[in-house]
Amino acid sequence: DAGVIQSPRHEVTEMGQEVTLRCKPISGHNSLFWYRQTMMRGLELLIYFNNNVPIDDSGMPEDRFSAKMPNASFSTLKIQPSEPRDSAVYFCASRAGGPTDTQYFGPGTRLTVL
Amino acid sequence: QQPVQSPQAVILREGEDAVINCSSSKALYSVHWYRQKHGEAPVFLMILLKGGEQKGHDKISASFNEKKQQSSLYLTASQLSYSGTYFCGTQVGSSNTGKLIFGQGTTLQVKP
Repeated sequence: DAGVIQSPRHEVTEMGQEVTLRCKPISGHNSLFWYRQTMMRGLELLIYFNNNVPIDDSGMPEDRFSAKMPNASFSTLKIQPSEPRDSAVYFCASRAGGPTDTQYFGPGTRLTVL
Repeated sequence: QQPVQSPQAVILREGEDAVINCSSSKALYSVHWYRQKHGEAPVFLMILLKGGEQKGHDKISASFNEKKQQSSLYLTASQLSYSGTYFCGTQVGSSNTGKLIFGQGTTLQVKP
């Protein structure tokens, strides 16, 4: 299995630009999670989907952030407009079963907003 | 709601032992342990479920004290490959809660 795939791996953009991060979960997994990691705040859950439906988006920082999961094999996290404080590593993770099953993390996207 | 990990950092020599603790103020249903090496994604180590079980593989084991809402990760006879940041992820409340809340991490450095 290829594991969770994220793209791009690195993104450098200027403040005010739109950024789209992409994630392909492991085939057959029914839950998908978006996390943000920074030195100051650690690993934060932004949003998670179950069977393509957003279940909990309480971690999404503000309206500039949006996430979609149009089908079981693809999800996007969009930031519009981006700000320097959005600079972080964004991880996508997927899980096969229920809450006590393992979450498998993708390699992450390192976002730098200038 | 974020669990508290202690210590924040630890430095060991090869062969020494370490314990990393993860405490929550909320009732825990499960605790998930991950290790992350610099520049890489977190990698799953093990899950502890409510009921106080203890798990382990190789020289890494963990326990879950339901009464104290605390989990501990034990690294025995540490190896250089154990270096990294260890995170606990806690599932709070019930078996249906889908999300994990991660602690701030414990950085472990193993020296030759």
